[in-house]
Amino acid sequence: GAGVSQTPSNKVTEKGKYVELRCDPISGHTALYWYRQSLGQGPEFLIYFQGTGAADDSGLPNDRFFAVRPEGSVSTLKIQRTERGDSAVYLCASSLIGSWDTGELFFGEGSRLTVL
Amino acid sequence: AQKVTQAQTEISVVEKEDVTLDCVYETRDTTYYLFWYKQPPSGELVFLIRRNSFDEQNEISGRYSWNFQKSTSSFNFTITASQVVDSAVYFCALSEANNNDMRFGAGTRLTVKP
Repeated sequence: GAGVSQTPSNKVTEKGKYVELRCDPISGHTALYWYRQSLGQGPEFLIYFQGTGAADDSGLPNDRFFAVRPEGSVSTLKIQRTERGDSAVYLCASSLIGSWDTGELFFGEGSRLTVL
Repeated sequence: AQKVTQAQTEISVVEKEDVTLDCVYETRDTTYYLFWYKQPPSGELVFLIRRNSFDEQNEISGRYSWNFQKSTSSFNFTITASQVVDSAVYFCALSEANNNDMRFGAGTRLTVKP
């Protein structure tokens, strides 16, 4: 498709389970970002990829969170031993180069994670 | 670290009214970028504008206009003659140069009633 695609759109899981969220960026976009948005809040930065490498993972809240982008395109956000506090909408965004000077991020519609 | 404050949590107007959404930011960098995004009910954030810190010229795009004032660290957004389709949550965001953490404000929910 033309935009950023995220799957699943909704995920309900039980506390302690493992979850994977997938992001398929716009073709040709080298920069990929993961954000987390809690209800009534703005998006919170988690991690940034430039190509295959995680250029900045300073936003990951703890070591239960991990993300990969093995071929420089699709990315997977992995959450181990989920907790109720992980419930949020996880947003993925991509951009052509990754420099703020070039402008906008293109966001997907997000994956809503609910941990019971 | 950079910070963005959107003091207005919710605003409700009647169609055709003008409305201004406030954004105040904090940063220690001299080079930074300011953004506005729109988040309609579908959830997908839509880019509206980017401004760099060296360009204080105000911008108008159709019914939208932006007022960037470094003296007050503000980057306000005005919608003229609002329409029902403008109803959404609007986010102001700030990114410092060489920093991948685009910091968003908490958002302002705008409701335009017919």
